[in-house]
Amino acid sequence: KAGVTQTPRYLIKTRGQQVTLSCSPISGHRSVSWYQQTPGQGLQFLFEYFSETQRNKGNFPGRFSGRQFSNSRSEMNVSTLELGDSALYLCASSLGLAGYSEQYFGPGTRLTVT
Amino acid sequence: GQQVMQIPQYQHVQEGEDFTTYCNSSTTLSNIQWYKQRPGGHPVFLIQLVKSGEVKKQKRLTFQFGEAKKNSSLHITATQTTDVGTYFCAGRRLEDSNYQLIWGAGTKLIIKP
Repeated sequence: KAGVTQTPRYLIKTRGQQVTLSCSPISGHRSVSWYQQTPGQGLQFLFEYFSETQRNKGNFPGRFSGRQFSNSRSEMNVSTLELGDSALYLCASSLGLAGYSEQYFGPGTRLTVT
Repeated sequence: GQQVMQIPQYQHVQEGEDFTTYCNSSTTLSNIQWYKQRPGGHPVFLIQLVKSGEVKKQKRLTFQFGEAKKNSSLHITATQTTDVGTYFCAGRRLEDSNYQLIWGAGTKLIIKP
């Protein structure tokens, strides 16, 4: 079974631009969660989508948004990039909601904002 | 703010020594999950505990869920270099109908040369 894939793996953007990251979950998984991880920091939860609906949202500004498609693939978008948005963005998929299901993480997208 | 406290933030051990990380919640948890992230890697699921007082073992790793379901621990016996990484706990509050996972900040295990 193929694992969670994320594209692109690396990205360099300029402050003020916007970016879209993509996540393809494991086949059959209906939940996709997104996390931000900065050097030395833990996992900061962004949001979780389940069956195309946002179920949970972390404490991030409205510049961070996401969506999930009918095939469970998910995208997250960051508008008006700031230097502080430089981070590793991880997505994780699970059969059911992340709160009670084992999550499988993708390799992440490393975003650098200059 | 963060509602699952994980300590310590770092632990340096000699290879062969034991390692323990603790997670404490201010509220009762429905379940708790543990993940390991190797340097340069992504988190990998280790285990989920659901029952009060539950203890589970995976080779040298022992996971415990407290009787009150407010705390949990991961203990590694006789650490090896392959154990290096950051260990995260994540739990769901019992009263949270949205099933959101709350993550600890992680404990970084460092093996001293």
